[in-house]
Amino acid sequence: DAGITQSPRHKVTETGTPVTLRCHQTENHRYMYWYRQDPGHGLRLIHYSYGVKDTDKGEVSDGYSVSRSKTEDFLLTLESATSSQTSVYFCATSTADTQYFGPGTRLTVL
Amino acid sequence: DQQVKQNSPSLSVQEGRISILNCDYTNSMFDYFLWYKKYPAEGPTFLISISSIKDKNEDGRFTVFLNKSAKHLSLHIVPSQPGDSAVYFCAASASEGAQKLVFGQGTRLTINP
Repeated sequence: DAGITQSPRHKVTETGTPVTLRCHQTENHRYMYWYRQDPGHGLRLIHYSYGVKDTDKGEVSDGYSVSRSKTEDFLLTLESATSSQTSVYFCATSTADTQYFGPGTRLTVL
Repeated sequence: DQQVKQNSPSLSVQEGRISILNCDYTNSMFDYFLWYKKYPAEGPTFLISISSIKDKNEDGRFTVFLNKSAKHLSLHIVPSQPGDSAVYFCAASASEGAQKLVFGQGTRLTINP
């Protein structure tokens, strides 16, 4: 276990509201990632970070932004949530050989 | 454009028999492959990996085979146990390591007693 926590674990919100998901790690890993998991799509990369204040887009980044002001924290923000962003969101960190995942956040946008 | 494909959404296997999960990829730049296991309401956990310089890697009951010419990898679980019932994801990377993984859609494995 890489000591990854995500908060909140569950959230229900309304269309148009801003939402921030938090990922916290205790392993001092340089790389951190945000994925979303949807039926039939597996895990898709939203954004990733390769260091403090260093981030880049993934496959499905539209409608999402991220920030990393400390090594241990990686925030995912939905500026104006839409129903298509209803999903399970996973944070991950990586060593050279593997990625370690947090427990996930289930987000429902009504 | 699905670069990593798991064409079987589900697989049912009898306890004690072999489970074979398959994964195909299209990007010839992929050089590192991983399998993850996921239980409901939990994050994926790493199972086993293989580098493109090998064609087989074994860890206990789990063996991964890589056929680079066919762009195909498979995960063998022998013998299958009830606790192996989960969703299995294959993932691939073109960065000689575990950064920027591309995942398949997943295969739900059910082990029947």
